[in-house]
Amino acid sequence: DAKTTQPNSMESNEEEPVHLPCNHSTISGTDYIHWYRQLPSQGPEYVIHGLTSNVNNRMASLAIAEDRKSSTLILHRATLRDAAVYYCILRDPYGNKLVFGAGTILRVKS
Amino acid sequence: DSGVTQTPKHLITATGQRVTLRCSPRSGDLSVYWYQQSLDQGLQFLIHYYNGEERAKGNILERFSAQQFPDLHSELNLSSLELGDSALYFCASSVDNGQGAFYGYTFGSGTRLTVV
Repeated sequence: DAKTTQPNSMESNEEEPVHLPCNHSTISGTDYIHWYRQLPSQGPEYVIHGLTSNVNNRMASLAIAEDRKSSTLILHRATLRDAAVYYCILRDPYGNKLVFGAGTILRVKS
Repeated sequence: DSGVTQTPKHLITATGQRVTLRCSPRSGDLSVYWYQQSLDQGLQFLIHYYNGEERAKGNILERFSAQQFPDLHSELNLSSLELGDSALYFCASSVDNGQGAFYGYTFGSGTRLTVV
């Protein structure tokens, strides 16, 4: 399974944008980039995924570098409810198993 | 409510015992995945079932087994329990056709197992 590297933790102020980076230098041409988050005492929650182009949904935006060796999850206006562990995961298109790393702990200050 | 139901929410049992965790996937989802989350190991993939068939195995101990029934619910059986098996066990389901189409996981809220 291709690996990702994320910062252990990040801090943000409420109402400000947050950019969560992820490095995946060994990504193959067919790997999808998935982001999940896990709020305290809950199961992980799907956030967004993409292959090559930038993606937007109601929760976040995903910016993928042109060489696909890195990506950034963007929360446009952080709220206290966004405090969670954010996981960046690569998925090959022939297997649906997701391998979770340690993720980034996002703290949001009011 | 994510649509994935896990029971029980909490389970306390003694070492050496056997327990069964149950998962009902979201309506229409054919795949079920089991994960174990302990404090020191993070989320570890255990096993994947698709429409009743085992599709992939991860770090699942021989003392653990799972199955998916015709109604698509799944059970994870843990036997000869040890203190180190104490963890959160999550089930996830997904819409996929078993051949590549995949739209993400929906996780349940987990079963917290405490072995004493």
